[in-house]
Amino acid sequence: DSGVTQTPKHLITATGQRVTLRCSPRSGDLSVYWYQQSLDQGLQFLIQYYNGEERAKGNILERFSAQQFPDLHSELNLSSLELGDSALYFCASSAQTRAGANVLTFGAGSRLTVL
Amino acid sequence: DAKTTQPTSMDCAEGRAANLPCNHSTISGNEYVYWYRQIHSQGPQYIIHGLKNNETNEMASLIITEDRKSSTLILPHATLRDTAVYYCIVWGSQGNLIFGKGTKLSVKP
Repeated sequence: DSGVTQTPKHLITATGQRVTLRCSPRSGDLSVYWYQQSLDQGLQFLIQYYNGEERAKGNILERFSAQQFPDLHSELNLSSLELGDSALYFCASSAQTRAGANVLTFGAGSRLTVL
Repeated sequence: DAKTTQPTSMDCAEGRAANLPCNHSTISGNEYVYWYRQIHSQGPQYIIHGLKNNETNEMASLIITEDRKSSTLILPHATLRDTAVYYCIVWGSQGNLIFGKGTKLSVKP
């Protein structure tokens, strides 16, 4: 158990639907990161939050959005789902508060299947 | 864009040392070298990181060349459970952890 909790573990839905993935970071970590990994693809960085504020954006589609709440948990919202959105979605957290080494701890992922 | 170059795949005999190389010739002074691994669709697992000096922990050793343009991750006694994709990543205080394609390490009995 890495200390980063992601729910649900598995999710099956239909095209056009909307889903929400949830991530609880390790205790004390202020940063949350979201990554997408499609079948046989590499890990693609989507977005980062730090203490409730968006810090960086990667290749995140406009149909996707995220937020980090005051208790530091984060949610990734995926809407108007397409078949190509089927993927593993990983959340990671880190404790970095200033420049220097920054070790990310990843959760076990949420596997989304769009039919 | 990935700033590291790693072999696509490597094999290692069980019980032997696995030496995974990584080239990062454009690394800048404040960028660390990180190693992660991913075992078959599990979440990536942090292994080790370093800046200039060689580092060792309970999982592995990291050897960084003096010019910092390359490094080697060493798993001293590889087991079948070490079969995974290993990612070498350089990252400073800017940007985010960007994963390349990594090296697929197969540990064979």
